[in-house]
Amino acid sequence: DGGITQSPKYLFRKEGQNVTLSCEQNLNHDAMYWYRQDPGQGLRLIYYSQIVNDFQKGDIAEGYSVSREKKESFPLTVTSAQKNPTAFYLCASSSHGTGNFEQYFGPGTRLTVT
Amino acid sequence: AQSVTQLGSHVSVSEGALVLLRCNYSSSVPPYLFWYVQYPNQGLQLLLKYTSAATLVKGINGFEAEFKKSETSFHLTKPSAHMSDAAEYFCAVSDFTGGGADGLTFGKGTHLIIQP
Repeated sequence: DGGITQSPKYLFRKEGQNVTLSCEQNLNHDAMYWYRQDPGQGLRLIYYSQIVNDFQKGDIAEGYSVSREKKESFPLTVTSAQKNPTAFYLCASSSHGTGNFEQYFGPGTRLTVT
Repeated sequence: AQSVTQLGSHVSVSEGALVLLRCNYSSSVPPYLFWYVQYPNQGLQLLLKYTSAATLVKGINGFEAEFKKSETSFHLTKPSAHMSDAAEYFCAVSDFTGGGADGLTFGKGTHLIIQP
């Protein structure tokens, strides 16, 4: 089955540690995205990538970093510089070549930093 | 810049009653509009989308939405609520002014509560 996988489902870290969240897709989509979700805030865009080896900052990129070395993978690193890292993180992908503009979402990773 | 406003962070309806979730958008160009549903601790699932074709869009699970340009609205409706409809619903907009892959702009979400 095609889809997006995110691992792990739950992640716990101590303050001051960097942590990397995994996102893999087998949909052959060019574009991938990372969102952060907080209660009552909706989803906010962290980073996005339209093509391999290229990515752009979203609305709340500070304290985060990404890489896009392969089309299928778009890992997100939450650095110690992120002041409030505890949140639910969602990865998504989309294919624009056919005019199909919706985004497909993974199941999410809930990160708790104490 | 595009934006989305969802009226009502929580909406409660009785099972079998009409569901109406409101979404208003602003966009400098004709937008693409989406409704997503999210169940607890899960990702988002697309309910339906408007991409400049028919203004009345039918989606999954009996939901539909009507694009009204004059009102800049894209309200989501379902004639008869079911207990399984209880979830968080997000309206999203993209005008693709950035070339098609800038990400969607989401509303803050509406939590739908179904009363037995």
